[in-house]
Amino acid sequence: GAGVSQSPSNKVTEKGKDVELRCDPISGHTALYWYRQSLGQGLEFLIYFQGNSAPDKSGLPSDRFSAERTGGSVSTLTIQRTQQEDSAVYLCASSLGWGGLDTQYFGPGTRLTVL
Amino acid sequence: GESVGLHLPTLSVQEGDNSIINCAYSNSASDYFIWYKQESGKGPQFIIDIRSNMDKRQGQRVTVLLNKTVKHLSLQIAATQPGDSAVYFCAETPTGANSKLTFGKGITLSVRP
Repeated sequence: GAGVSQSPSNKVTEKGKDVELRCDPISGHTALYWYRQSLGQGLEFLIYFQGNSAPDKSGLPSDRFSAERTGGSVSTLTIQRTQQEDSAVYLCASSLGWGGLDTQYFGPGTRLTVL
Repeated sequence: GESVGLHLPTLSVQEGDNSIINCAYSNSASDYFIWYKQESGKGPQFIIDIRSNMDKRQGQRVTVLLNKTVKHLSLQIAATQPGDSAVYFCAETPTGANSKLTFGKGITLSVRP
């Protein structure tokens, strides 16, 4: 079946601009996660959605970052007033959401470059 | 085969040899561990997982070993192939932490033909 998809695959923007990154999770997955991967680094947790519960935003690095998930499916990560240090690959993952210990499946990521 | 900790960024092995990738974790509350493989330009791909009530789990050509006493996790790849060349990450999460994964920094596996 279809996996997690993300768009755009690449985004180049100017410092100070806002960007929106989109994630389409696997159908039927109730849990959705955003991570950030800087060059040569591991993945850094950003935010987690589970069903209708309030999202866990504990990983968002600043108030310039926000995310929403509409209808329990598609999610959008928004970065306002982008800075050069925001340049990274933004990865989305989804999971069935059973009991909190289930496998996360990742999308291909969006590579964001802030000039 | 060769083994290396995550503080060394690259592991180079001969095609056909066994590979061992090691990972140390610090959170004693972690009880679910996963190995991911990431090829260039792609997202991490699930390889194998293990829960803390086990110390070994086998998949196709891969084995994960867990030593909770010393908080150590390893991934063994049998008969390493060129297609195994990638960055490998271990990840962990404690029970009840809504599956928020903590990832290691990753190690690059390079397979020599």
